Amino acid sequence: AQSVSQHNHHVILSEAASLELGCNYSYGGTVNLFWYVQYPGQHLQLLLKYFSGDPLVKGIKGFEAEFIKSKFSFNLRKPSVQWSDTAEYFCAVNSGYSTLTFGKGTMLLVSP
Amino acid sequence: AAGVIQSPRHLIKEKRETATLKCYPIPRHDTVYWYQQGPGQDPQFLISFYEKMQSDKGSIPDRFSAQQFSDYHSELNMSSLELGDSALYFCASSQKTGGPYEQYFGPGTRLTVT
Repeated sequence: AQSVSQHNHHVILSEAASLELGCNYSYGGTVNLFWYVQYPGQHLQLLLKYFSGDPLVKGIKGFEAEFIKSKFSFNLRKPSVQWSDTAEYFCAVNSGYSTLTFGKGTMLLVSP
Repeated sequence: AAGVIQSPRHLIKEKRETATLKCYPIPRHDTVYWYQQGPGQDPQFLISFYEKMQSDKGSIPDRFSAQQFSDYHSELNMSSLELGDSALYFCASSQKTGGPYEQYFGPGTRLTVT
């Protein structure tokens, strides 16, 4: 069975600080990897995804993530966060067309 | 671009009542997924449908049932509601035939059971 582990449950940063959210997954086969963001009171929005190819993927709003197969990791990064990035971030994995398995989420609070 | 539509957005029910949640996938998407997100929790998969047939089943209670109709919309029926059913229920859709394979989420239905 697939599982996803997000390293931090809560992260507090000041504006302009750099962000890195850790995500590790457990699955023996080929996986698709996703980061979703959930702004307060809103639905899940796809930030970026990795299916194959270049392991460094760029998403919306200046976010990027790097797939490191040997470490089973897919960490999310942003060089300079903004107050509007305050949200909960979920790493998710599936294989093929299967359902998504989510991590527990990381709540990011950016102080102005 | 068209998105996943869910109705109602908010629903308040009493214990032991029934509820029906509706999901309208993105046009031409053939797969629908239902997830439940409890307060402060990550989304948990309930059930999915591909081409109107159940394709996968997760942690869906026996009191819940779902189906996908000929127009690809889906309904989640919940009976004998319990306080613990209070949650945000997301529907997502994807296109299994030819992709894109990522799931696009609707705004969710917030169910409160009192």
